Amino acid sequence: LAKTTQPISMDSYEGQEVNITCSHNNIATNDYITWYQQFPSQGPRFIIQGYKTKVTNEVASLFIPADRKSSTLSLPRVSLSDTAVYYCLVGDGGSARQLTFGSGTQLTVLP
Amino acid sequence: DVKVTQSSRYLVKRTGEKVFLECVQDMDHENMFWYRQDPGLGLRLIYFSYDVKMKEKGDIPEGYSVSREKKERFSLILESASTNQTSMYLCASSLIPGYTNEKLFFGSGTQLSVL
Repeated sequence: LAKTTQPISMDSYEGQEVNITCSHNNIATNDYITWYQQFPSQGPRFIIQGYKTKVTNEVASLFIPADRKSSTLSLPRVSLSDTAVYYCLVGDGGSARQLTFGSGTQLTVLP
Repeated sequence: DVKVTQSSRYLVKRTGEKVFLECVQDMDHENMFWYRQDPGLGLRLIYFSYDVKMKEKGDIPEGYSVSREKKERFSLILESASTNQTSMYLCASSLIPGYTNEKLFFGSGTQLSVL
């Protein structure tokens, strides 16, 4: 199983761009990278998924370098409501056991 | 939008009680999952199911069992609740059988306290 490492916490100010990096040194060829967001007292919510290079949707961008040993979730112009825990997952869909969430990154957006 | 509904938001039980946590999804998803979430430990997979009456153990199945009699409903059972099972329990579902990289849809969770 590809293990992921993320910072435990990050602070930012409203209006700034936030980049959260996830390290996954032993990612396998067939693995995808998926990010989830969790607000207090709610279940996690899918944000974005990618395999290589760059993926962008209405919420975030995901940057994956050529070696795929890390990935960066980019949140443009954060607001107070982006305060949440962000999880990086790596897996190829071969088994639900690969859906290991870890402790995530607590992002706190300050006014 | 997919809706995953967990029957209770908060639950307080006594040690030794049999506890049922219910989860229902409304989008005809094949896969359903039960996780528990504890501070500092992230989400840990307890059990999952790819189909009706089919179940597989996750990483921490001890002390738990599950039931999936209908496709839309996945129940988590604590046969004899213990204090170390005090936790937030999260149910999730996803669409494609066996393809677990499909995105997960979560319920809002049940905070269980065992006294």
